Amino acid sequence: DVKVTQSSRYLVKRTGEKVFLECVQDMDHENMFWYRQDPGLGLRLIYFSYDVKMKEKGDIPEGYSVSREKKERFSLILESASTNQTSMYLCASSGTGFGPQHFGDGTRLSIL
Amino acid sequence: AQSVAQPEDQVNVAEGNPLTVKCTYSVSGNPYLFWYVQYPNRGLQFLLKYITGDNLVKGSYGFEAEFNKSQTSFHLKKPSALVSDSALYFCAVRDRDDKIIFGKGTRLHILP
Repeated sequence: DVKVTQSSRYLVKRTGEKVFLECVQDMDHENMFWYRQDPGLGLRLIYFSYDVKMKEKGDIPEGYSVSREKKERFSLILESASTNQTSMYLCASSGTGFGPQHFGDGTRLSIL
Repeated sequence: AQSVAQPEDQVNVAEGNPLTVKCTYSVSGNPYLFWYVQYPNRGLQFLLKYITGDNLVKGSYGFEAEFNKSQTSFHLKKPSALVSDSALYFCAVRDRDDKIIFGKGTRLHILP
């Protein structure tokens, strides 16, 4: 079974802090994705990556950056956390072609 | 652009009754469609997909989905609902470049 592991289930940070969310997948997938999930808004794509060192902006990249130094790891960075970034963050991975995305259990991030 | 719509925010069904969660799509070209389920404080789990072939697709936990090209629909169904089916359900369509676009989600309540 594909396993996508997010480093923290719950995280509390303060405004202005630099925040790192880590995601690791064990299926040698090329593609990795970061979403945020908010009530009534569904899932919104923040950034994605098709290969090591590659990154592409999603629909809401402002205030975020990403890093993919190794194929299995995709990190989301909040450069200077703000309260409107309080949300559930979901990482996903997929292979190429028509397969589904596989999700981690999410990180519920609160910015105080 | 590809899109999916889930017209119902919430669906209530009595245990043992059949359930349907609705989804309509808009795509250019062939549709590649997915259903996911999310339990509380968890990530999304893949249920089933339609790529090509039979219009009735069978998936996990006894769920199935019916692809209807003329109505551009991909409704999720189950013949007999269980209380444990209560969760948030997402319909999704594959966009270009392996991205997936998700609907806003439908909360399914199975009443004992």
